[in-house]
Amino acid sequence: DSGVTQTPKHLITATGQRVTLRCSPRSGDLSVYWYQQSLDQGLQFLIQYYNGEERAKGNILERFSAQQFPDLHSELNLSSLELGDSALYFCASSVGVTWRNEQYFGPGTRLTVT
Amino acid sequence: AQSVTQLGSHVSVSEGALVLLRCNYSSSVPPYLFWYVQYPNQGLQLLLKYTTGATLVKGINGFEAEFKKSETSFHLTKPSAHMSDAAEYFCAVSTDMNYGGSQGNLIFGKGTKLSVKP
Repeated sequence: DSGVTQTPKHLITATGQRVTLRCSPRSGDLSVYWYQQSLDQGLQFLIQYYNGEERAKGNILERFSAQQFPDLHSELNLSSLELGDSALYFCASSVGVTWRNEQYFGPGTRLTVT
Repeated sequence: AQSVTQLGSHVSVSEGALVLLRCNYSSSVPPYLFWYVQYPNQGLQLLLKYTTGATLVKGINGFEAEFKKSETSFHLTKPSAHMSDAAEYFCAVSTDMNYGGSQGNLIFGKGTKLSVKP
């Protein structure tokens, strides 16, 4: 158990819909990262937040957005969903802002868009 | 920019045999290098990492990796495979450098599935 929690575990929704994925980092971790894992694209970094502020952006689509709240939990919002958005979405957390730190991954949310 | 290449999407070894998973990276600045393992239906777990210092890095579960700058490689090894090592392994590279306005990134290879035969 990494200490990172993600909800829900599974999500099935239709094209065009909007969903919110939630992540609670390990106690004491200030950075939260979001990743997408799909058969086509592999594991891709989406976005990083550190102590409530966006710090780094990867291959995140404009239809996707995220935020980190004062209690440090984070939400990833996916809108106007397409079939190709079906994937496993991971959240990870680390202590600081530097990328040299170990990231602890949650169990993931499996999103299926039908 | 950075990239990671993992040679071999599937590797099969016998129990007790040497495990060697290959990873080559590309980075224009000194990289941070990681190996993660993913068991079925689970998240990723860090096996080991190289940031600075000693180039031979020891990790969990008996794995180790050597950073070879001249070969731009970070291959993962384990002297004797166990059945419990069957999983998918990801090599990843990151840096704190600012690329295109984004402060940092973690680039993963496509993964290598390790099978262990009894």
